[in-house]
Amino acid sequence: ETGVTQTPRHLVMGMTNKKSLKCEQHLGHNAMYWYKQSAKKPLELMFVYSLEERVENNSVPSRFSPECPNSSHLFLHLHTLQPEDSALYLCASSQELAGVGHETQYFGPGTRLLVL
Amino acid sequence: DQQVKQNSPSLSVQEGRISILNCDYTNSMFDYFLWYKKYPAEGPTFLISISSIKDKNEDGRFTVFLNKSAKHLSLHIVPSQPGDSAVYFCAATYYGGSQGNLIFGKGTKLSVKP
Repeated sequence: ETGVTQTPRHLVMGMTNKKSLKCEQHLGHNAMYWYKQSAKKPLELMFVYSLEERVENNSVPSRFSPECPNSSHLFLHLHTLQPEDSALYLCASSQELAGVGHETQYFGPGTRLLVL
Repeated sequence: DQQVKQNSPSLSVQEGRISILNCDYTNSMFDYFLWYKKYPAEGPTFLISISSIKDKNEDGRFTVFLNKSAKHLSLHIVPSQPGDSAVYFCAATYYGGSQGNLIFGKGTKLSVKP
């Protein structure tokens, strides 16, 4: 399998649940990203990892917890979410960090999350 | 304050005609711009990019124009095809910028009618 994959594609969870989103990239990239896309808003960068180290956390609430065990995998652990957290969560990867150089980010298909 | 703006939420074009999608930016430090296309239920797909040292980049039916003085870029699709119907996002970044910081616009939904 090639490119960036995300599982699950759809997730419905209650506010007291704990769940995890998974992202895997098969491109040999060194940087990975989590984005949130809410209705009628631009993509919002949440977290950035480079070589498995977190380099950016854009003021994301602690109920979102990222994990990058290796350069190919990225997780987003979710707990005690709010209904306003319902959105499309996108994972992306790039060869090196975007901004450090002119890097193109490649996106996965996203996880559509609904918090009840 | 939005640094990348796509002021037209939607655009409808007849098949075979030209589609022009516009994007404005406010940060003069931006030096690299990208266009992504997104179909429903899929993630954004990279389409074409342009560096600020150029004013035009072409790839098949897709051409991106950059006007640095106006802080404006546009994506031209010629000829438009029904399969081009999607949401198009403009994004910008700059060399040495905040790590990972690719700034996106809100997107323009293009509908190409047969």
